[in-house]
Amino acid sequence: DAGITQSPRHKVTETGTPVTLRCHQTENHRYMYWYRQDPGHGLRLIHYSYGVKDTDKGEVSDGYSVSRSKTEDFLLTLESATSSQTSVYFCAISESHIGQETQYFGPGTRLLVL
Amino acid sequence: SQQGEEDPQALSIQEGENATMNCSYKTSINNLQWYRQNSGRGLVHLILIRSNEREKHSGRLRVTLDTSKKSSSLLITASRAADTASYFCATILYGQNFVFGPGTRLSVLP
Repeated sequence: DAGITQSPRHKVTETGTPVTLRCHQTENHRYMYWYRQDPGHGLRLIHYSYGVKDTDKGEVSDGYSVSRSKTEDFLLTLESATSSQTSVYFCAISESHIGQETQYFGPGTRLLVL
Repeated sequence: SQQGEEDPQALSIQEGENATMNCSYKTSINNLQWYRQNSGRGLVHLILIRSNEREKHSGRLRVTLDTSKKSSSLLITASRAADTASYFCATILYGQNFVFGPGTRLSVLP
């Protein structure tokens, strides 16, 4: 978890409300990722960023948006939370181009949508 | 099925025994990585093996890669209670994103 923090660590919200999760890194890594982890699915990529203001969709991007205005921060927003978005969300960072480098993970955020 | 799938889904062994878990994948890869996740924590990188490598060691870990069978194995020797965790393989194709399997839950009993 070195150099990566996520906030909040736990959140309970109601269906239809907006939710923003924050990932903050102190490693100055170029790439940042948001994953969700659900039983039986491993980690699935939601969105990723390859630089400030540069983002792209992952495997399960529907219902999520992201923003990166600074190198160190990557925000994940659920515009209108649904129960299917109850999950554990992990942020990850990597130093170099996709696929060639190790990813380092944050501690995760547990989100419960009622 | 998924690009990367670990087998078995769950494994229980006694302390001191060896633990072997496998990962199968579907498409050609550039490298394959193994990660560990302790309960309630994020994933931690263990080892990376490139497509032109067949075996790699790191401490008590040994990873093999058989590209002809599209499979990899992770061996943990002389297991300890602290090795209790979930283990994931991630397959990587250059320019593509990581694809993680659903993981193997390893329990090492004292």
